[in-house]
Amino acid sequence: NAGVTQTPKFQVLKTGQSMTLQCAQDMNHEYMSWYRQDPGMGLRLIHYSVGAGITDQGEVPNGYNVSRSTTEDFPLRLLSAAPSQTSVYFCASTPGGGGAEQYFGPGTRLTVT
Amino acid sequence: EDKVVQSPLSLVVHEGDTVTLNCSYEVTNFRSLLWYKQEKKAPTFLFMLTSSGIEKKSGRLSSILDKKELFSILNITATQTGDSAVYLCAGSTGFQKLVFGTGTRLLVSP
Repeated sequence: NAGVTQTPKFQVLKTGQSMTLQCAQDMNHEYMSWYRQDPGMGLRLIHYSVGAGITDQGEVPNGYNVSRSTTEDFPLRLLSAAPSQTSVYFCASTPGGGGAEQYFGPGTRLTVT
Repeated sequence: EDKVVQSPLSLVVHEGDTVTLNCSYEVTNFRSLLWYKQEKKAPTFLFMLTSSGIEKKSGRLSSILDKKELFSILNITATQTGDSAVYLCAGSTGFQKLVFGTGTRLLVSP
């Protein structure tokens, strides 16, 4: 199993550009989440999904869209990038059940100029 | 508002020392408390605690949860330079959402 994979590893965008961060897992996990990590802020939840076709907002959802058409994939879309979205983005998946361990992908470092 | 607070923010110890990292939480619909170790990349899982007073151990690391006082501690005995990392604590809610603390940065000097 590859676990949780994310692409790209690094990305530089100009303000106003759009892009999609890809996340995939091959563990057949029900739950998937997106976090951003900023210095001094810890990891903050952006969006999460409890199954294919079901998504919900986390703590910091503004400026981001998600969809979950398959169990395996959970892409994160930035519609119009802003410098405040410069961060490291982590995708995570969980087998299911309340309070279970989350498995993290390797992260995407995004810089918006 | 859900929050998780970790202390200290950073810590420098000598190899062989024992350290205790603290985590207090206020999380709605609390299900479990998780500890992660983060070196340069993604957080890696250490422990998940759901019951009060039951210590979990893995080698030189151990952790315990107090659900009455809403805190957890992570102990590392006989520290090694490889233990240098940021240690993250997170409270899990009933909807698979993790609320993270800002982490404790541990540096173990040789």
